Amino acid sequence: EAEVAQSPRYKITEKSQAVAFWCDPISGHATLYWYRQILGQGPELLVQFQDESVVDDSQLPKDRFSAERLKGVDSTLKIQPAELGDSAMYLCASSPRTDSYNEQFFGPGTRLTVL
Amino acid sequence: GDSVTQMEGPVTLSEEAFLTINCTYTATGYPSLFWYVQYPGEGLQLLLKATKADDKGSNKGFEATYRKETTSFHLEKGSVQVSDSAVYFCALSDQGGTYKYIFGTGTRLKVLA
Repeated sequence: EAEVAQSPRYKITEKSQAVAFWCDPISGHATLYWYRQILGQGPELLVQFQDESVVDDSQLPKDRFSAERLKGVDSTLKIQPAELGDSAMYLCASSPRTDSYNEQFFGPGTRLTVL
Repeated sequence: GDSVTQMEGPVTLSEEAFLTINCTYTATGYPSLFWYVQYPGEGLQLLLKATKADDKGSNKGFEATYRKETTSFHLEKGSVQVSDSAVYFCALSDQGGTYKYIFGTGTRLKVLA
C-alpha cells in the first residue's frame, strides 16, 4: 500500500539552528500539504502545494519558514533559525487533487524538539 | 472563518461501552466533513467522511451523520474495544477555493479492558 514518507522521524536541535524536513508524497498525488501539530491541538496548515506551485501559505511564518517542491514531487520544509516555540509535530499529507471530497493521506510526521 | 469544535477529552470507557464524541462546525457553504484517528506514534488515518447533508459515513463500526440543521458530525460506536484507544480528530474541508482542512483540537479516547 502506497504511503507518504517523511524523514527524519525525530529531530532535536538548539534554538537559532537550522532544521529541514523532507516529505515524499504518494506517487501521482498532485497536492501536498505541510501541517504543524502542537501537543494537545489539531493540525494547522502551514503550506499547500498544487504540483510545484504554492496555493496557500497564509499561515507560514515566512520570516523563518520556507518550503519548496521544485519538481512537483517531494518537498522540503525548512526552519531557520529555530525557536523554542517551534517544538511540535510536523505532518506532511498528500491527495490526488484539490477538491472538497478528497481524502488527505498523512505521513508519520517529524517530531521536532527545540532546546 | 471556518472552525471545528470537539468535546474535550480524555474520554475513558470500559470495553464494550457505547461511544459518542461530539463535533460541531461553523462554515460558509457546505463543507465535506471527516473523522481522522491518530494512534500513538503514528500519523493521521481517515476513519470516515460525509460530503453532503444527511450523508452517513461509516467504517470499522464507527459512524457519523452530517447534520446540516445542527451543524454537527458526532462520532459514534456501539461497542468500543481496547484497540480503539487513540486520538480522534474532526475536520472540515474549507470551501474557500483551496479546500484545506480545518481540524478540531482532538479527543483522546482510552478504553479499559
